[in-house]
Amino acid sequence: DIQMTQSPASLSASLGETVSIECLASEGISNSLAWYQQKPGKSPQLLIYGASSLQDGVPSRFSGSGSGTQYSLKISGMQPEDEGVYYCQQGYKYPFTFGSGTKLEIK
Amino acid sequence: QVQLEESGPGLMQPSETLSLTCTVSGFSLTSNGVGWVRQPLGKGLVWMGTIWAGGSTNYNSAVQSRLSISRDTSKSQVFLKMNSLQPEDTGTYYCARQRYTGYYFDYWGQGVMVTVSS
Repeated sequence: DIQMTQSPASLSASLGETVSIECLASEGISNSLAWYQQKPGKSPQLLIYGASSLQDGVPSRFSGSGSGTQYSLKISGMQPEDEGVYYCQQGYKYPFTFGSGTKLEIK
Repeated sequence: QVQLEESGPGLMQPSETLSLTCTVSGFSLTSNGVGWVRQPLGKGLVWMGTIWAGGSTNYNSAVQSRLSISRDTSKSQVFLKMNSLQPEDTGTYYCARQRYTGYYFDYWGQGVMVTVSS
């Protein structure tokens, strides 16, 4: 199975701060990488697919980048509604696997 | 608009068989895949399996021997059946539309909490 290692496990950011979350795949996944945001008691919401494509309706402060085994999600200007847990997911090979999550809080 | 809604029992006994239904609207099951993702309480997301537009299925080997996913396209419903339940199967079960390019999940149901306990 492809292991998805996310870092950091948690972080706190001030309003307006730029935040980055990293996802490292145990083997190359050819940009088959998605990012999700999950708020408490809610289902995950797709933010980014194909490593860098923004899902419709997602604010442009969210962006994704990377290639090969290393990918990142950037939030340019933290907002209160961005608090939650963020997961990466690879769609390159079965079984599809998720990272363990990054909990993002307001400082 | 695209919607998915899970339904099923909230409390199960060990060794029983879990049956969940995902009712979809706003898209066709014959053009899209639907996957099931489990989330143990307070933990991360685990893909369990997917039924694709043509009716074929793929399962996570971790649960493959106990899991079956099927559908009724006339009712726009996808079904999950998992036997030999254990307490570690406790968690929230989500169904989600799964896209063919990149195999990501673009729409999710609200989830159904399943507790396995005697």
